[in-house]
Amino acid sequence: TQLLEQSPQFLSIQEGENLTVYCNSSSVFSSLQWYRQEPGEGPVLLVTVVTGGEVKKLKRLTFQFGDARKDSSLHITAAQPGDTGLYLCAVSNTGNQFYFGTGTSLTVIP
Amino acid sequence: KAGVTQTPRYLIKTRGQQVTLSCSPISGHRSVSWYQQTPGQGLQFLFEYFSETQRNKGNFPGRFSGRQFSNSRSEMNVSTLELGDSALYLCASRPDTGAYGYTFGSGTRLTVV
Repeated sequence: TQLLEQSPQFLSIQEGENLTVYCNSSSVFSSLQWYRQEPGEGPVLLVTVVTGGEVKKLKRLTFQFGDARKDSSLHITAAQPGDTGLYLCAVSNTGNQFYFGTGTSLTVIP
Repeated sequence: KAGVTQTPRYLIKTRGQQVTLSCSPISGHRSVSWYQQTPGQGLQFLFEYFSETQRNKGNFPGRFSGRQFSNSRSEMNVSTLELGDSALYLCASRPDTGAYGYTFGSGTRLTVV
């Protein structure tokens, strides 16, 4: 049983479109992180959220942590080919061990 | 600031052999974690070291082991390799525990034949 469910699993869109990917769990977590991973490389941290209801923006990316701290969403505005990659969410209760979702593989077609 | 360095980048080993992977964390980072990534299972936590002590361990068999040196560099070892051990092994460092994010290395791609 996966601790974290990410949806959709795969997403292919045209350049310029908007998209939202989700990270859901039945458990409450103290913090949640989003990463992007490109083929052949390690994941790169995009954001950390710790407060329920928190919204953070990183250029065209908007991250939201659910009020109950069980879920999160990542919204990308006007997607570009450089956004292509595997988007992973990771959660922790203790701060010592993080659990990763299986990811959303995003392809942005020029 | 140099990133997390993992060596080697690629390895091909035969079933039954053992392998040692190396990780040099970002300078000043005392926490080093190892993850196994496969297409079917995603990223699975192996273990975390902090100041030369294993602080957390994931649900992997005893064939998987690791250690951390006084300079925070870490190694992981897999003995008696099985075909299912083929994966991307990722090392990640953090300044300490808590809500800090990981900085990952580029990984070691291990293929067991």
